[in-house]
Amino acid sequence: GQQLNQSPQSMFIQEGEDVSMNCTSSSIFNTWLWYKQDPGEGPVLLIALYKAGELTSNGRLTAQFGITRKDSFLNISASIPSDVGIYFCAGLKETSGSRLTFGEGTQLTVNP
Amino acid sequence: EAGVAQSPRYKIIEKRQSVAFWCNPISGHATLYWYQQILGQGPKLLIQFQNNGVVDDSQLPKDRFSAERLKGVDSTLKIQPAKLEDSAVYLCASSYIKGQGAGNEQFFGPGTRLTVL
Repeated sequence: GQQLNQSPQSMFIQEGEDVSMNCTSSSIFNTWLWYKQDPGEGPVLLIALYKAGELTSNGRLTAQFGITRKDSFLNISASIPSDVGIYFCAGLKETSGSRLTFGEGTQLTVNP
Repeated sequence: EAGVAQSPRYKIIEKRQSVAFWCNPISGHATLYWYQQILGQGPKLLIQFQNNGVVDDSQLPKDRFSAERLKGVDSTLKIQPAKLEDSAVYLCASSYIKGQGAGNEQFFGPGTRLTVL
């Protein structure tokens, strides 16, 4: 089963607002990845994090690899309607090789 | 650079029938993955190939699911016979390398949506 707790499950915001979502686990991860999935499409990689404490930006998106290596967050600033979709965190544990563990996703709705 | 290609995009079958999905990874990516994504959940790994060898198939229901990557490029996932609970999106992903660290990022195809009636 899923070992990543992703929250919130869903968010309804107004265009222009900032958004924050996070993933936590009782296990230690070596890599955190954030994906966005649009309806009928596969997940698209947004940001990859490889070191504890790492803070990485991609346009209006910022993600951080938690110091404890058990959590990560994703921020979206100044949201726009095309940010709508499901955001997934995914992690690689030291003992899991290449097997990604996915969170259950955060459904983001942006009202114009 | 072309992305991961999958076909068909949609498939509707009756239970106990067979079905096959095809995937062509990003050129040069040695590692290929098949995931199952049930509605409302994150993807779950079914099988991982490194070139034409299986690296991880611990979560593949081997009584009905099979997969191959004979020449180390394209891959096929088969379900025989299908059950109602197999209704899901089947995603293929590829990465340049396996393991941990930069270069192991997995890139996904658009998926095949399977409905079993």
